[in-house]
Amino acid sequence: GAVVSQHPSRVICKSGTSVKIECRSLDFQATTMFWYRQFPKQSLMLMATSNEGSKATYEQGVEKDKFLINHASLTLSTLTVTSAHPEDSSFYICSARRWGGGHSYEQYFGPGTRLTVT
Amino acid sequence: AQTVTQSQPEMSVQEAETVTLSCTYDTSENNYYLFWYKQPPSRQMILVIRQEAYKQQNATENRFSVNFQKAAKSFSLKISDSQLGDTAMYFCASLYSGAGSYQLTFGKGTKLSVIP
Repeated sequence: GAVVSQHPSRVICKSGTSVKIECRSLDFQATTMFWYRQFPKQSLMLMATSNEGSKATYEQGVEKDKFLINHASLTLSTLTVTSAHPEDSSFYICSARRWGGGHSYEQYFGPGTRLTVT
Repeated sequence: AQTVTQSQPEMSVQEAETVTLSCTYDTSENNYYLFWYKQPPSRQMILVIRQEAYKQQNATENRFSVNFQKAAKSFSLKISDSQLGDTAMYFCASLYSGAGSYQLTFGKGTKLSVIP
């Protein structure tokens, strides 16, 4: 159990276009989802936290108008990178928290999306 | 703010041997959780083990165990009978309630290579 899927796994887009990444919790309900960015050989950097039905909370330095997050249901969150530029190229990882039921705030991660902006 | 420090950027271990990865953290909270995550070359983050700070007993999961020293704020991971599939980046992480939001704080990671 506790599987998180992410789609697409890889995407290449042209500079100036927008790209949407989907994150789904497949077998549990996630009241909170997280979006991370990971640069090569580095740790995960939290971009934003989203709660179902609420606006996302962005970390300092993350442009909310560039990285649009929608958490429409208890199993789906989307990250849209708007007007993408080459510097937005990175590995994006979503995560979902399964709350309670003895799971003690365990957080499960999607397989990641490699975004390349040309 | 919480900080998590992993002082070993890279480590290697012979197959079937035991290795310990170090992690220290800094928090003023009383209630928090600690985790070890594994990120293999596929880059899928996998939860290895977790520890609740209020529990004195060290967590174990098959070949993985932790040495939780609360007073020293230390949370090391021991991998016994290392296998080739254990080759991965290992991230230590803490979780606490900050400004009403529980957020994971990750260390910089330790790259573990298991040598045949």
